Amino acid sequence: AQSVSQHNHHVILSEAASLELGCNYSYGGTVNLFWYVQYPGQHLQLLLKYFSGDPLVKGIKGFEAEFIKSKFSFNLRKPSVQWSDTAEYFCAVNAGEYGNKLVFGAGTILRVKS
Amino acid sequence: DVKVTQSSRYLVKRTGEKVFLECVQDMDHENMFWYRQDPGLGLRLIYFSYDVKMKEKGDIPEGYSVSREKKERFSLILESASTNQTSMYLCASSLEVAGGRRTDTQYFGPGTRLTVL
Repeated sequence: AQSVSQHNHHVILSEAASLELGCNYSYGGTVNLFWYVQYPGQHLQLLLKYFSGDPLVKGIKGFEAEFIKSKFSFNLRKPSVQWSDTAEYFCAVNAGEYGNKLVFGAGTILRVKS
Repeated sequence: DVKVTQSSRYLVKRTGEKVFLECVQDMDHENMFWYRQDPGLGLRLIYFSYDVKMKEKGDIPEGYSVSREKKERFSLILESASTNQTSMYLCASSLEVAGGRRTDTQYFGPGTRLTVL
């Protein structure tokens, strides 16, 4: 069955710490990959996406993610987090055989202490 | 900017009531989606639609139905609400790409927090 795994459900960091959130998926074919973010009280919004080309993708607010096909991973990174990065982060995968459906991970709640 | 609006931010209903959740998008997107969001479970797809009057079941369609009579509007219907349908409901829309074989970025509405008593 299709699945997307996010390794940590809760992460607590101090400001200026580096962030890496793990995401693994279980499809063998062509995939489109997304990271979405939901700030407290706000809409879910796109952080970055990978369709093809350079596997290192840069998104908004200094976030980046690296697609490693051999590891079925799409980890999200930020070198130095800010208090305003406190949010819930979702990894999502669109696999070819599922057409226009997205499968989401369970989410990671990030709290940044000031 | 894409705008996806949902008819209510908060809704309280009683068990057995019929519930309608409305979603409207203003960017002429072909695809529209209904998800429910529960803590620790992420977003789970209930139904989606890739064209007017077309619908497909998602991963958890039981107890729900949908209607898409106009391109911009996608309604989620709970025929007889139950307490286990208490949740946050999110609507999204996206452009079709590659003849429907892929989804582009999905744009989300603010969500409706439904409580069934």
